[in-house]
Amino acid sequence: AQSVTQLDSQVPVFEEAPVELRCNYSSSVSVYLFWYVQYPNQGLQLLLKYLSGSTLVKGINGFEAEFNKSQTSFHLRKPSVHISDTAEYFCAVSEPGGSYIPTFGRGTSLIVHP
Amino acid sequence: DTAVSQTPKYLVTQMGNDKSIKCEQNLGHDTMYWYKQDSKKFLKIMFSYNNKELIINETVPNRFSPKSPDKAHLNLHINSLELGDSAVYFCASSQDGNRRYTFGSGTRLTVV
Repeated sequence: AQSVTQLDSQVPVFEEAPVELRCNYSSSVSVYLFWYVQYPNQGLQLLLKYLSGSTLVKGINGFEAEFNKSQTSFHLRKPSVHISDTAEYFCAVSEPGGSYIPTFGRGTSLIVHP
Repeated sequence: DTAVSQTPKYLVTQMGNDKSIKCEQNLGHDTMYWYKQDSKKFLKIMFSYNNKELIINETVPNRFSPKSPDKAHLNLHINSLELGDSAVYFCASSQDGNRRYTFGSGTRLTVV
């Protein structure tokens, strides 16, 4: 069975500062990894995904994430955040084959202060 | 041209009522899903459905039932609503397994 742990429930940061949102997963097989963003009162939007190939994945809005198999991590980073990045961020994992249903972490609330 | 649309966006109803939430996708995806997001933002899969298979999360009460009139629609019916059913319900769809997974904007259900 797969699981996802997002270590921080809330991350406050000042505008233009760098940020890292942490995600660790557990799975007995190879995985697909995702980061989704949820803005207030909206649905989830895919930021980026890792399926295979390069371990550094670039997404929308200047975000990137690095897949680290040995540490079973998929941390999300942005070098300089904006107020508009304030949102809930979800890491998700799924296993190729089977039902493909991703398992979501409990989310990290990114709060960007001016 | 919304990819995955849900109606209604907000639903307030009394305990004991029966209600439905509709979901439609125009992406041509072959699988649709319902998720429940609780007050702590935790997302829990409720159902996954394609034209071959319905997968039900065993923790979902049988008061909840998905209905799919065709490949582009997956509606959620809820009988005998309870206070604990209050949450945001998200519909989603995917194609080619999990490589393209798109969410609707959610339906906020409040049971009073």
